[in-house]
Amino acid sequence: AQTVTQSQPEMSVQEAETVTLSCTYDTSESDYYLFWYKQPPSRQMILVIRQEAYKQQNATENRFSVNFQKAAKSFSLKISDSQLGDAAMYFCAYRNSNTGNQFYFGTGTSLTVIP
Amino acid sequence: DADVTQTPRNRITKTGKRIMLECSQTKGHDRMYWYRQDPGLGLRLIYYSFDVKDINKGEISDGYSVSRQAQAKFSLSLESAIPNQTALYFCASSGGAVQTQYFGPGTRLLVL
Repeated sequence: AQTVTQSQPEMSVQEAETVTLSCTYDTSESDYYLFWYKQPPSRQMILVIRQEAYKQQNATENRFSVNFQKAAKSFSLKISDSQLGDAAMYFCAYRNSNTGNQFYFGTGTSLTVIP
Repeated sequence: DADVTQTPRNRITKTGKRIMLECSQTKGHDRMYWYRQDPGLGLRLIYYSFDVKDINKGEISDGYSVSRQAQAKFSLSLESAIPNQTALYFCASSGGAVQTQYFGPGTRLLVL
């Protein structure tokens, strides 16, 4: 079974600084997708970034980038120039491309941005 | 306008009552999902549907049922609500090659 582990329940960062959120996953598959979702206090789940496992290049979306290490099964999220609006719960998610559409979510990391 | 909507946004009910949570999407996606979120546990899949005639149980389907009334509509029912079903419920839909899931705003359910 696939599992997704976020080992940091809480993180904090100073405004304008950089923070990295960790995520590891367990799978025996070679073809899959990885995602980071943000859940602000409004509780809406918002897609931040996604990575296809077959792509070697790390995905980037503005201030958000990932460090995808396939062999290590690691998928960390880096937030640069942190802003107050980045404060939220962040969830890492995994989807296997071969066995249906089920997403597996980590337990989340709560990010606080300090002014 | 939101692409995935859920009604109601908040609901309080009593043990033993039947309730229905509704979800609609305007993204034209074939696939829809229901999750529940509990503190410290992330999101867990209750049911998912690949199309109107294809419904599948997820990780925690006991105590729940679903109905896919149309491509755009997927409802979740609690036949006889119990307090440990108090949670935040999310509907999602997905499409395209990557099948990225897009979520509704959530329904906060309290079962007394």
